[in-house]
Amino acid sequence: QKEVEQDPGPLSVPEGAIVSLNCTYSNSAFQYFMWYRQYSRKGPELLMYTYSSGNKEDGRFTAQVDKSSKYISLFIRDSQPSDSATYLCAMSYNNNDMRFGAGTRLTVKP
Amino acid sequence: NAGVTQTPKFQVLKTGQSMTLQCAQDMNHEYMSWYRQDPGMGLRLIHYSVGAGITDQGEVPNGYNVSRSTTEDFPLRLLSAAPSQTSVYFCASTGARSQKLFFGSGTQLSVL
Repeated sequence: QKEVEQDPGPLSVPEGAIVSLNCTYSNSAFQYFMWYRQYSRKGPELLMYTYSSGNKEDGRFTAQVDKSSKYISLFIRDSQPSDSATYLCAMSYNNNDMRFGAGTRLTVKP
Repeated sequence: NAGVTQTPKFQVLKTGQSMTLQCAQDMNHEYMSWYRQDPGMGLRLIHYSVGAGITDQGEVPNGYNVSRSTTEDFPLRLLSAAPSQTSVYFCASTGARSQKLFFGSGTQLSVL
């Protein structure tokens, strides 16, 4: 079993839809939870960062962490074609060893 | 400000050949790392360094060597390339006690 599980999709939604992306994990020691966005043929870029449990909001993006269920989510409101990318969840228990999900490919259609 | 620079962008090797993937950062970051990205597997950590002269293994270190002689550079060496090492390789860096990784644009490596 992988430490971090993420549905690879692909996921296709119409412009303006609410998108929900999810990851589950098995290592209860994880404390830092991140979402990275990766455009085609580019390196990943940090989108959201959360420490421990709770919610964090940044514009149209909301990250949620439920440590009791070992489950994290990223919500995108009013999705735009420019949001089309692969979204990677990532988590770690220290600064050095970050574990990534396989990534979910999202397409937002105009 | 260039950020994290990787060279080359593309490389084709024959089985058994050796090569070095270059990575340089100009942000004075202490932490640098190498990942490989394969379809369905996500990013997997190969090696990392927390400062000049200090390196450690990640999740998939076999077949790769690293060294860190300066803060800026962190090369990844393949001593004897194998087809299983066909992948996209990313270098990343971050400052001390930060979780925000800055990634390079990647090297697409094919081993025939």
